[in-house]
Amino acid sequence: QITLKESGPTLVKPTQTLTLTCTFSGFSLTTSGVSVGWIRQPPGKALEWLALIYWNDDKRYSPSLKSRLTITKDTSRNQVVLTMTSMDPVDTATYFCAHSGPSRNNSVWFDPWGPGTLVTVSS
Amino acid sequence: DILMTQSPSSLSASVGDRATITCRASQNIARYLNWYQHKPGKAPKLLIFAASTLQSGVTSRFSGAGSGTDFTLTISSLQPEDIATYYCQQSYNIPLTFGGGTKVEIK
Repeated sequence: QITLKESGPTLVKPTQTLTLTCTFSGFSLTTSGVSVGWIRQPPGKALEWLALIYWNDDKRYSPSLKSRLTITKDTSRNQVVLTMTSMDPVDTATYFCAHSGPSRNNSVWFDPWGPGTLVTVSS
Repeated sequence: DILMTQSPSSLSASVGDRATITCRASQNIARYLNWYQHKPGKAPKLLIFAASTLQSGVTSRFSGAGSGTDFTLTISSLQPEDIATYYCQQSYNIPLTFGGGTKVEIK
């Protein structure tokens, strides 16, 4: 059974850097074709994809946030870490991490997702 | 970026009704289209991947169809537990993009 859980601060100040950790079990990020993604949802708004890290350490970012995001993995600890710099109140959102398994044509769909963690940006 | 447009943004139907949600891509994405169900305070749940493949464990009330730019998610007989917001997501290329969501309610 695959599970993921996000952890990190619930409140950050504007201009600070956010660091979120996704701790997972039930799969290995060394398995070919596996990836872990981060997705967020501002209150009352739609889902927004942020970043993806693959088993081979290939990384992809949302172009609109690329300059502010860094995604890394620690396979020995079964963790993926997302850092986001220069936080602003508009970054207030629930942040989810999610697993994507091997698929034909390396298509990415997320299953399952972690429960999410609400991050509020406020002074 | 590929823009994903869902319609309607909200849908109200009676228990037992058929409900259909449409997702349109701004360019041809073949069948690289996935559907999720999201209930408040819960993790989103994958319903369908590759346009029409039902994820294991998902009720057959849900079905997906389409290819190219136009896709649909159909709930054959709406049940109270189907109350949620539904999102499409394209996996044709990076950046991955989601539709704006369709909120489904019981009339």
